[in-house]
Amino acid sequence: AQSVSQHNHHVILSEAASLELGCNYSYGGTVNLFWYVQYPGQHLQLLLKYFSGDPLVKGIKGFEAEFIKSKFSFNLRKPSVQWSDTAEYFCAVIKASGNTGKLIFGQGTTLQVKP
Amino acid sequence: EPEVTQTPSHQVTQMGQEVILRCVPISNHLYFYWYRQILGQKVEFLVSFYNNEISEKSEIFDDQFSVERPDGSNFTLKIRSTKLEDSAMYFCASSEFQGIGGTQYFGPGTRLLVL
Repeated sequence: AQSVSQHNHHVILSEAASLELGCNYSYGGTVNLFWYVQYPGQHLQLLLKYFSGDPLVKGIKGFEAEFIKSKFSFNLRKPSVQWSDTAEYFCAVIKASGNTGKLIFGQGTTLQVKP
Repeated sequence: EPEVTQTPSHQVTQMGQEVILRCVPISNHLYFYWYRQILGQKVEFLVSFYNNEISEKSEIFDDQFSVERPDGSNFTLKIRSTKLEDSAMYFCASSEFQGIGGTQYFGPGTRLLVL
């Protein structure tokens, strides 16, 4: 079965530290990839997405992610985190075949940024 | 910016009771989804819906679940006879396109507690 794995369950960083959250998926065909963020008490918001083209995609709030097809990875990065980045981050995948819109989520990574 | 809205934000019900969770998707979106997240677990796909028909449903979406678009704006999830294990956060999402190329926008969720 297709799956999405996020390697880090809980990450604690100090402000200004660099962030990289890992995401791997287990599907060999064409996919779209997403990172969603859920701030405390709020709903899932789209951070960035990859559909095609440049594998390095930039999102909101200074986040970026790189799609490496050979590694089935879509890691999220930010050079310098802020306290306001404290949230839960979800990687998600849609596969091309079937085309019903089913998003497959990773288990999420809780990021805590210390001021 | 248009948003997906959901009501109620919280619902407490007794086991065996019927609940209806409501969603208002973004107005020009044609594809609708329900997901759920049991506390501490992944966000899981339940169902996708288009043109008054279910496009895909997961194994979780058994005969106790149903979805409906009763009018031009609402999209509902009904659980006929709730079980304790139905306690979860339920998210509605909508998209302009389905599958590859479509971005799903999520509502704030309804937290359902079954006692």
